[in-house]
Amino acid sequence: DAGITQSPRHKVTETGTPVTLRCHQTENHRYMYWYRQDPGHGLRLIHYSYGVKDTDKGEVSDGYSVSRSKTEDFLLTLESATSSQTSVYFCAISESAGVWQFFGPGTRLTVL
Amino acid sequence: KNEVEQSPQNLTAQEGEFITINCSYSVGISALHWLQQHPGGGIVSLFMLSSGKKKHGRLIATINIQEKHSSLHITASHPRDSAVYICAVEGDSNYQLIWGAGTKLIIKP
Repeated sequence: DAGITQSPRHKVTETGTPVTLRCHQTENHRYMYWYRQDPGHGLRLIHYSYGVKDTDKGEVSDGYSVSRSKTEDFLLTLESATSSQTSVYFCAISESAGVWQFFGPGTRLTVL
Repeated sequence: KNEVEQSPQNLTAQEGEFITINCSYSVGISALHWLQQHPGGGIVSLFMLSSGKKKHGRLIATINIQEKHSSLHITASHPRDSAVYICAVEGDSNYQLIWGAGTKLIIKP
């Protein structure tokens, strides 16, 4: 299995609080992705990174920011969490664009 | 209309049955992916294909580029195959994946 972990695995927080999710990889892959998964929807891309300090928006980026200061870590921040951001968040990595993505175990976030 | 449509949304079958899950897409693609999401939530890539057919164990994936259609087949299905199977396509103008909503498969013993 690809070395990819997410923390925390579960989090409950209140509306208006900041939340940061961490994705950590040991594979030295260049690309990292954050997705959210909600019932009735496929996985939706929030942000992705194609290198250290190189990030771009996905289809559902509003309300989220990301940072990648090291190859191995990709952080997703909700500056002021809302109930609509209750979801399961998956991180994924790939060696380059257009190849297999390996997924982390997911983080279940509940915003009350 | 979604750019990637999967059918059926839900499928229940008996152990041993031959399973087919379909994926249709409306955009030009450079490749198509099939993934499996286990009941515990983990997601695993199964296949990536841009033409023809690929086989891995009891799983077979086919793609028809002209018809913009792919199928995932499972032979001699087993309860451990119960999972959500997800189709995703890479657009031919960028490498971002466009995801189907998934097919939930339950195999009964």
